[in-house]
Amino acid sequence: GENVEQHPSTLSVQEGDSAVIKCTYSDSASNYFPWYKQELGKRPQLIIDIRSNVGEKKDQRIAVTLNKTAKHFSLHITETQPEDSAVYFCAAGGNNAGNMLTFGGGTRLMVKP
Amino acid sequence: NAGVMQNPRHLVRRRGQEARLRCSPMKGHSHVYWYRQLPEEGLKFMVYLQKENIIDESGMPKERFSAEFPKEGPSILRIQQVVRGDSAAYFCASSPVTDNYGYTFGSGTRLTVV
Repeated sequence: GENVEQHPSTLSVQEGDSAVIKCTYSDSASNYFPWYKQELGKRPQLIIDIRSNVGEKKDQRIAVTLNKTAKHFSLHITETQPEDSAVYFCAAGGNNAGNMLTFGGGTRLMVKP
Repeated sequence: NAGVMQNPRHLVRRRGQEARLRCSPMKGHSHVYWYRQLPEEGLKFMVYLQKENIIDESGMPKERFSAEFPKEGPSILRIQQVVRGDSAAYFCASSPVTDNYGYTFGSGTRLTVV
């Protein structure tokens, strides 16, 4: 089955700096890679996703890159703000209806004002 | 659209009791997934269901845990004879019938076993 590794487990940045979180996956058949943000005591929420037919996707201050050959993908947050502080999870899975997602272990991002 | 509804939000059970967690998927979603999250840890897959079918239960403990998604009504995750190690947040997620656009998670049920 799929195995997703996520690094780092904790990340502390100064407000305004960039943050980068990296994930690797094992199953070359995976072709859908979402990222979730989970604030303390709340549900994980989808913030951005990328499919294997593109190498990069951007939405305002967040972007995700995918390298299918190396089987890794990354989340980039620019101009970080205190409200970006949360736990971020990457995931990998198939593109079809019902395909399960395997999640990474999470990264606790702390943005210091 | 009310989103994925889970109840109860918090559940306290004594060791040996049964816990029943409910999940109603988003309207138009026919795939339901249950995940467990231990404190300070990630999301561990438990079971994937469609109406009246268990598609994959590879993440379910072999004993005491069961899940169903009946033709009518919510999906139920049942834990019999709970132990302290079952204390966790249990999240349900649903996804659409068509392409995988990612899960929508419910607010979770936080189970505490005392």
